[in-house]
Amino acid sequence: EVQLVESGGGLVQPGGSLRLSCAASGFTFSSHTMSWVRQAPGKGLEWVSGISGSGAGTFYARSVEGRFTISRDNSKNTLYLQMNSLRAEDTAVYYCAREPYDSSGYSDYWGQGTLVTASS
Amino acid sequence: DIVMTQSPDSLAVSLGERATINCKSSQSVLYSSNNKNYLGWYQQKPGQPPKLLIYWASTRESGVPDRFSGSGSGTNFTLTISSLQAEDVAVYYCQQYYTALYTFGQGTKLEIK
Repeated sequence: EVQLVESGGGLVQPGGSLRLSCAASGFTFSSHTMSWVRQAPGKGLEWVSGISGSGAGTFYARSVEGRFTISRDNSKNTLYLQMNSLRAEDTAVYYCAREPYDSSGYSDYWGQGTLVTASS
Repeated sequence: DIVMTQSPDSLAVSLGERATINCKSSQSVLYSSNNKNYLGWYQQKPGQPPKLLIYWASTRESGVPDRFSGSGSGTNFTLTISSLQAEDVAVYYCQQYYTALYTFGQGTKLEIK
């Protein structure tokens, strides 16, 4: 059974940093592109970042480029999102999501999400 | 970036009736080399993560009821629920994956009339 479990969310002051993790199980992690998608309270979905199965290709939304870094450890079946210089508008539930094969584009499995709150 | 615009923002439909949600992209998401539209649809219920319904604009994900269907090409797409059930109350999103920077529509909230 495919499982994605996010962790690392919490309350952080604006300007601070946080690292999210997504533990994957039930599939060959290195064969799948993975993404982070966020949802601000009461708002819609916003794609944040994606990474190819090998980790060689990384992509970012313009709203986070230069502040967030996506990475993965295929030996640990874990996806990461390092978030620096956090702003109030980064407050959201962050979901990790799996694409059914490398670079397919759409996501077939999603985690339950972890809440990040950037507030003083 | 490709902008995805859904209409309407909210929709109320009677049980058993048809529900139609539209999605328009600011540029074509049809890849000519494989004739595929890089467009997906998701359903999100309160307190839950999104669920994939449709990919390649019209391919239904495994396990999704056949009352859900997707159509369209290029820049104009439609999600249709042929006979609305109570469990279909949710917010629906389209997403383009034609470019490496994916984008979602703003969402359409579907309710029972």
